[in-house]
Amino acid sequence: DSGVTQTPKHLITATGQRVTLRCSPRSGDLSVYWYQQSLDQGLQFLIQYYNGEERAKGNILERFSAQQFPDLHSELNLSSLELGDSALYFCASSDHTGTREQFFGPGTRLTVL
Amino acid sequence: SQQGEEDPQALSIQEGENATMNCSYKTSINNLQWYRQNSGRGLVHLILIRSNEREKHSGRLRVTLDTSKKSSSLLITASRAADTASYFCATVWGSARQLTFGSGTQLTVLP
Repeated sequence: DSGVTQTPKHLITATGQRVTLRCSPRSGDLSVYWYQQSLDQGLQFLIQYYNGEERAKGNILERFSAQQFPDLHSELNLSSLELGDSALYFCASSDHTGTREQFFGPGTRLTVL
Repeated sequence: SQQGEEDPQALSIQEGENATMNCSYKTSINNLQWYRQNSGRGLVHLILIRSNEREKHSGRLRVTLDTSKKSSSLLITASRAADTASYFCATVWGSARQLTFGSGTQLTVLP
């Protein structure tokens, strides 16, 4: 158990819909990262938040957004969903330095029908 | 494009044998990390090697780093069926702190 929790575990929705994925980092970790894992793109970094502020952006679509709340939990919002958005979405957290390992949650499997 | 590419894409060995996976990357790095993923589950950190280190050990794991060739290798000695998983290298580079993952090696250890 990494100490990072993600909900829901599975999500099935239709094209055009909007969903919210939630992540709670390990106790004491200020950085939260979101990653997408799909068969064709592999594991890709989406976005990072540090203590409530956006710190880095990767291959995140404009239809996607995220935020980190004062209690440090984070939410990833995916809108106008397309079939190609079906993937595993992982959240990870790390200590404030960000130079050590990241601890990954179990992921949310999103299926867009 | 992904920072790291891994070789081989798939590896099948017998229990007790050693498994070696290789990773190449494109830019200068701060550190390189190896993660394991059991099918469809979260990634688990295995080992981190910094850019000024050449070799590191952790239990049955041995990682080497050659910054001149921009490559790393992960050796798992005396493999067990429980080692069956996908293994990913990931780099941290520049001022960013996010991980850039390789394409992964699917390791199957046969009992």
